[in-house]
Amino acid sequence: DTEVTQTPKHLVMGMTNKKSLKCEQHMGHRAMYWYKQKAKKPPELMFVYSYEKLSINESVPSRFSPECPNSSLLNLHLHALQPEDSALYLCASSQDWGHRYYGYTFGSGTRLTVV
Amino acid sequence: AQSVTQLGSHVSVSEGALVLLRCNYSSSVPPYLFWYVQYPNQGLQLLLKYTSAATLVKGINGFEAEFKKSETSFHLTKPSAHMSDAAEYFCAVIQGGETSGSRLTFGEGTQLTVNP
Repeated sequence: DTEVTQTPKHLVMGMTNKKSLKCEQHMGHRAMYWYKQKAKKPPELMFVYSYEKLSINESVPSRFSPECPNSSLLNLHLHALQPEDSALYLCASSQDWGHRYYGYTFGSGTRLTVV
Repeated sequence: AQSVTQLGSHVSVSEGALVLLRCNYSSSVPPYLFWYVQYPNQGLQLLLKYTSAATLVKGINGFEAEFKKSETSFHLTKPSAHMSDAAEYFCAVIQGGETSGSRLTFGEGTQLTVNP
């Protein structure tokens, strides 16, 4: 299995809703990442988990709450989002966060629309 | 800090023509460089990577890139464009290392259009 699987593919939520994005990989990778991508822009790093511990939070607002229940699963909990949070949310994984040799494998993303 | 700059936000070629997408890097240490492709409404797919083993790197779908230290460049090429190559292409560099962890950061991207 060489894939990163993200669900759901599309999500529409109101500003008062609570929802979660899910990411799963079975490649034995020990680092997982959340990126946010706005239209016509490159992906921007949000969070890094290494060996199931949060290692980087790129000053992301608290309405985004990441969780890594085990080495294969990464969640992003969403609450009280704003319309400007509408974007493509990408999950990625790599073999080991500490080594630059390894590239990242990306999922196909969740297209989030906040109304 | 390491970074990459992509020259040209839009490139248009005819089907069968040479594809050249430009990427320059800035790094005080040997860089680890990547090219990713993103098709509409999809995630990113790794095309190829440079990790100092060889300066000419061959990737998937007929793409290749050459690392030129003297020019601080890592341009992506394909001899003959196909309609299916139309997509957004991102050059990327991994910053950091063993003691500070890695960050994959991207250039601004180049939208490739292939005309029939």
